[in-house]
Amino acid sequence: EIVLTQSPGTLSLSPGERATLSCRASQSVSASYLAWYQQKRGQAPRLLIYGASSRATGIPDRFSGSGSGTDFTLTISRLEPEDFAVYYCQQFGSSPLFTFGPGTKVDIK
Amino acid sequence: EVQLVESGGGLVQPGGSLRLSCAASGFTFSSYSMNWVRQAPGKGLEWISYISSSSTNIYYADSVNGRFTISRDTAKNSLYLQMNSLRAEDTAVYYCARDDQYESVEVIDYWGQGTLVTVSS
Repeated sequence: EIVLTQSPGTLSLSPGERATLSCRASQSVSASYLAWYQQKRGQAPRLLIYGASSRATGIPDRFSGSGSGTDFTLTISRLEPEDFAVYYCQQFGSSPLFTFGPGTKVDIK
Repeated sequence: EVQLVESGGGLVQPGGSLRLSCAASGFTFSSYSMNWVRQAPGKGLEWISYISSSSTNIYYADSVNGRFTISRDTAKNSLYLQMNSLRAEDTAVYYCARDDQYESVEVIDYWGQGTLVTVSS
């Protein structure tokens, strides 16, 4: 089973700053199988990025994803007030079918 | 607009059973695989079950295998999760989530708002 680790656990930033979130896999993952989700307090998760770097429908271009192998990154170029949330990486595998990382909370400094 | 609305959550005693439902609308339900994903209070996301569009392929997480059963009714555009032998650690918000193929890879792309299941005596 592939284990995903996210860092940092919490990222304290101000609006307008750049956020860089890391997701590391315990073994190599195909970039095609890596996705990122945003979850605001009290809401369901929302798909941001699939295939490590493709933005989902309606996602602003300030969100970008990159990476390969075991190291993946979600970057928010300039934080907007609505971007303060928890972000999860996820990989599509075999058993279990989907695995999520523990999440990174982006909060207001 | 894709809509997924879960129902059936509530308080149940350890060892008890509960059946969750998810009503789907805004897309051709019969064409999509579906999932259940849960989130314990204050914790992260845990995928627990998948069912293909035709119900041919069904998968479970080890944590629920043998206790939970996923099913779907195309005529009713509905997804179900039968949960038996419930434990305290099953306490969570349960999300119904649509699965689509993006560049030939399964991606969970839409989520319902969730229904809370509390297992406690």
